[in-house]
Amino acid sequence: GESVGLHLPTLSVQEGDNSIINCAYSNSASDYFIWYKQESGKGPQFIIDIRSNMDKRQGQRVTVLLNKTVKHLSLQIAATQPGDSAVYFCAEGDTGGFKTIFGAGTRLFVKA
Amino acid sequence: DAGITQSPRHKVTETGTPVTLRCHQTENHRYMYWYRQDPGHGLRLIHYSYGVKDTDKGEVSDGYSVSRSKTEDFLLTLESATSSQTSVYFCAIQTSGRDTQYFGPGTRLTVL
Repeated sequence: GESVGLHLPTLSVQEGDNSIINCAYSNSASDYFIWYKQESGKGPQFIIDIRSNMDKRQGQRVTVLLNKTVKHLSLQIAATQPGDSAVYFCAEGDTGGFKTIFGAGTRLFVKA
Repeated sequence: DAGITQSPRHKVTETGTPVTLRCHQTENHRYMYWYRQDPGHGLRLIHYSYGVKDTDKGEVSDGYSVSRSKTEDFLLTLESATSSQTSVYFCAIQTSGRDTQYFGPGTRLTVL
């Protein structure tokens, strides 16, 4: 079945460094992908999305890369800050309709 | 939280009692979702709604029912709560298919 997974459950980076969070998906027909950030005690918060007709999209300090050939998605955070510490989820829009499939999440720790 | 509120935010109840969680949106979005989040499982879809009085089951719907009598409210009911339903429950809204979901702040439910 369809699945969205993450390569690393925990990532620790130094403040000021760049962070890269990776995600693999299995449904080659998927055409919409989203990254969410979840801080402790809060609901997931939308960060950035990308559709399959693109391979890169940039936001404020964040970039999402999509490699459809190997079914891989990544989130890059530039100049990581302590406020970036959170769990990051990749998600995939269900091709059959309007559901979203979430990965298990990667916890990002930012060391001062 | 994108015009989404959940109530109550915290609840402790006993096994066998009925519990109703409420999700309220001010965005007039068509789609609404209930998820539960547990350690090691990420976000799992319980039920969703694609319009007033139109609902369907998600992957973990056993023991739960929902109702949507008006656009802005989506209710989740545990008819007879069990300890396995101790979890954090999130409501989400979405404008249209293949679009971003926006989450509420969550309800922490403890069933003793």
